[in-house]
Amino acid sequence: SAVISQKPSRDICQRGTSLTIQCQVDSQVTMMFWYRQQPGQSLTLIATANQGSEATYESGFVIDKFPISRPNLTFSTLTVSNMSPEDSSIYLCSVVVTFYEQYFGPGTRLTVT
Amino acid sequence: DAKTTQPPSMDCAEGRAANLPCNHSTISGNEYVYWYRQIHSQGPQYIIHGLKNNETNEMASLIITEDRKSSTLILPHATLRDTAVYYCIVRVESGGSNYKLTFGKGTLLTVNP
Repeated sequence: SAVISQKPSRDICQRGTSLTIQCQVDSQVTMMFWYRQQPGQSLTLIATANQGSEATYESGFVIDKFPISRPNLTFSTLTVSNMSPEDSSIYLCSVVVTFYEQYFGPGTRLTVT
Repeated sequence: DAKTTQPPSMDCAEGRAANLPCNHSTISGNEYVYWYRQIHSQGPQYIIHGLKNNETNEMASLIITEDRKSSTLILPHATLRDTAVYYCIVRVESGGSNYKLTFGKGTLLTVNP
């Protein structure tokens, strides 16, 4: 398995500001993902962030709104830009440890006021 | 879109086996079936995965039909702590050696005393 930590664990932000969420893994991983879970909903994949390449965004998500960095094999950041109340969600990072094993972090609970 | 269909909710008595069904009639030959669960908006927890054969680990058993169009997750002796949303997911190839997990709505399993 892998130990995944996210910072911050939760935050309350004002409309129009930006928040950067960090994801740290205790082992080197190639594939990393960012998901969003809106209140009462299932998880939605935002993007795939592989080290050494640009992030690949899913339909409905754009780089200007959710820029992602992946500087090395153990770390990634997701920024939620120009936030609105609709961005209030739990944001989760997820990593692939082996071909079969994918694990999720504890999530960052974001509230936008 | 998710390639799976699950009942929205199920109940189970504590100590009894919980059998959670999942339909994935459009699954392709090389696509794996994964099961995760999520407790109280924590990060999803990996349970088990399979391709063709039945699988068992310390948490659960996975029974996949011969035509691979459906599967059942079995928790042999459910406890109150097994109350969670259970997600059945078909892992889809997304180019190269990459893949992604697309979450559906899942099944809320409630274990009753």
